[in-house]
Amino acid sequence: GAVVSQHPSWVICKSGTSVKIECRSLDFQATTMFWYRQFPKQSLMLMATSNEGSKATYEQGVEKDKFLINHASLTLSTLTVTSAHPEDSSFYICSANPIVEQNNEQFFGPGTRLTVL
Amino acid sequence: KQEVTQIPAALSVPEGENLVLNCSFTDSAIYNLQWFRQDPGKGLTSLLLIQSSQREQTSGRLNASLDKSSGRSTLYIAASQPGDSATYLCAVTGSRLTFGEGTQLTVNP
Repeated sequence: GAVVSQHPSWVICKSGTSVKIECRSLDFQATTMFWYRQFPKQSLMLMATSNEGSKATYEQGVEKDKFLINHASLTLSTLTVTSAHPEDSSFYICSANPIVEQNNEQFFGPGTRLTVL
Repeated sequence: KQEVTQIPAALSVPEGENLVLNCSFTDSAIYNLQWFRQDPGKGLTSLLLIQSSQREQTSGRLNASLDKSSGRSTLYIAASQPGDSATYLCAVTGSRLTFGEGTQLTVNP
C-alpha cells in the first residue's frame, strides 16, 4: 500500500516551453502533497506544499508563477514548470501523507527527471 | 530553523561489515524521524519511521534509534551487502519535512 506515482518519469524539452508533471497517490487519499527538487549530489529541497482545493504554499525563493501547482483532487497534484530554462533542469520528486495516517509518514514518488535544452 | 546533518558524507566498507550512519538535528520538537534509501536517479524508499515517543525501530538487518533530547539518530546496518549500496537520507518532521544531505554508502564485494 501507500504507493505514489509520477508521470512522466523523464522529459526533455526546449527552452521556453512549459512542462507538466503529475503526482498521484494510487491507493490512498491525501489532502496534502509536497513537491521537492533535487540537484545532482544534493539532498531534497522542499519547493511547495500542495493543498487539495486551495492554493499551494511556496517556500521562500520559489517563484509561484514559475512553478504552478494544482491539487484538484485527493489523489492528484500537478506541477507545471512554465517557460522552462536550462537552470530548471533537475530531478523533481513529490510525496504524500495519507489522510488516515496519524504518524505523518511521507511516501515518495519515483521522481521526474527534467532536462531543458 | 531546523537543520539536519548526516555523518559521514560517504562511506565505503567491505561486504559483511556492520556499520552505523549518523544523523543529528537542531530542533528537538519533531513528530517523527524517517530514514530513506535513494538509488541513483531514483525516488526515495522509506526504510524506517520512528515516532517522537519511540526510541528505536527495527526492520530486518536495519535498526534505527532516536534520542530526541540530544537531537540524534543512528541507522545500524548489520552484515552489509553490495545491494545495500545507495544514498541514505534521514529526515525529521516538524512543521515540515527537513532532510539531511545524505550518506553515500558503497559496500564492496
